[in-house]
Parts: sequence; structure tokens; C-alpha cells
Amino acid sequence: RKEVEQDPGPFNVPEGATVAFNCTYSNSASQSFFWYRQDCRKEPKLLMSVYSSGNEDGRFTAQLNRASQYISLLIRDSKLSDSATYLCVVNTNAGKSTFGDGTTLTVKP
Amino acid sequence: SAVISQKPSRDICQRGTSLTIQCQVDSQVTMMFWYRQQPGQSLTLIATANQGSEATYESGFVIDKFPISRPNLTFSTLTVSNMSPEDSSIYLCSVVGDNEQFFGPGTRLTVL
Repeated sequence: RKEVEQDPGPFNVPEGATVAFNCTYSNSASQSFFWYRQDCRKEPKLLMSVYSSGNEDGRFTAQLNRASQYISLLIRDSKLSDSATYLCVVNTNAGKSTFGDGTTLTVKP
Repeated sequence: SAVISQKPSRDICQRGTSLTIQCQVDSQVTMMFWYRQQPGQSLTLIATANQGSEATYESGFVIDKFPISRPNLTFSTLTVSNMSPEDSSIYLCSVVGDNEQFFGPGTRLTVL
């Protein structure tokens, strides 16, 4: 079993749709959780950190459930520019990250 | 934030040769990380490079194949030795700062 597992995707949605990505992790000692975005042929960049209390940044909402070892990302009112691969990232030790395989989102007009 | 540059940005190499990738960071950092991202896959950590000590390699990666240098707090190199087509991948340098992980633009390697 992989340490970090994501929805395999791909997700193809129309503009304006709401889409949710799920991620589970196996190591209960995990400390920090993130969603990264990777555009085609580019390096990953931080989208948002994920906290137990949940956090929201505009159209993006991230949730963490430590008991279930589950992380989610919700994107509302999808834009064409949201098309990318979204990576779930889990840290167990400072600076050492484990990446999910990524979920690819394509938003179509 | 950290700004990371890598050289070369891409290369096409013959099997059996070696390529050294350079990573430069605009600030001093204790740890630098080298990742590999094979086509259609996510990132896999190769090793962690600390200044003044040997790199720490992850399972499946060995120093003879991926020797790493870390001469100072802003620079590191990763060498891909005795390359085979299976080494074709994107190699990314990374650092951590302010609870965020920053990546270089990557080096796209194709081995023929």
C-alpha cells in the first residue's frame, strides 16, 4: 500500500463546477499536510497547507481528518486556469515529504 | 521564499555516460533535497544533502549511482552515473523554508 494515495482521476469538469479531491495517508505519525499544484512541464508549487480546523483560500477549501487519516481539497466555481495536477503531500519528519501520485484536473469551457 | 535555479534545464545523453546537475539556492539552507519525477508519475525522493556530511539516500537509491556534493549552504550537485534509458526523468532540487517546500525548475533528462 502506498504511503499517500489520491483519487486516480483524471477529472474533467465544466467551468463553474465544484470538484473535490481526496487523499489518504498511512503513517499516523504524519505531522504536516499540504496540497501542491503542478502545471504541465513545471515544478510543483504550494497551493495551501492543510489544518485540522480546515482552511479556506478563496475558492479553495482544504480539510484534514486525523482520525481517518484523510485529506481533501474542494475547488468551487472552477476556472480554466485551475487545470493542473494536484499533489497531496504529507510530512513525517521536518523537510522530508511523501507525495501522492497526483490527480489531474481539466476544466473545460 | 526561496528561489532555486538548476542547470542544465534539459539534456539528451547516451547510455553509459554520466550527467551532473547543479542546483543553486538564493539563500543559505541546511538541507537540500533531490527528487526524481518519472513520466506520468509523482515525485520520489532520491536523497537529502546536508552541508559537511554525506548525503542520506532513500531506499532504492545508492551513492554509486547518484553521487551528491554539497560544498556549501547554497549549492549542491547530483550526478546520474552510467545512465540507462530507465534514468530518463525529471530531476528536481528542493529546499524547505517557512513550512513550505520550494522546487527548482527541474532538469529534464533523456537517455538514448
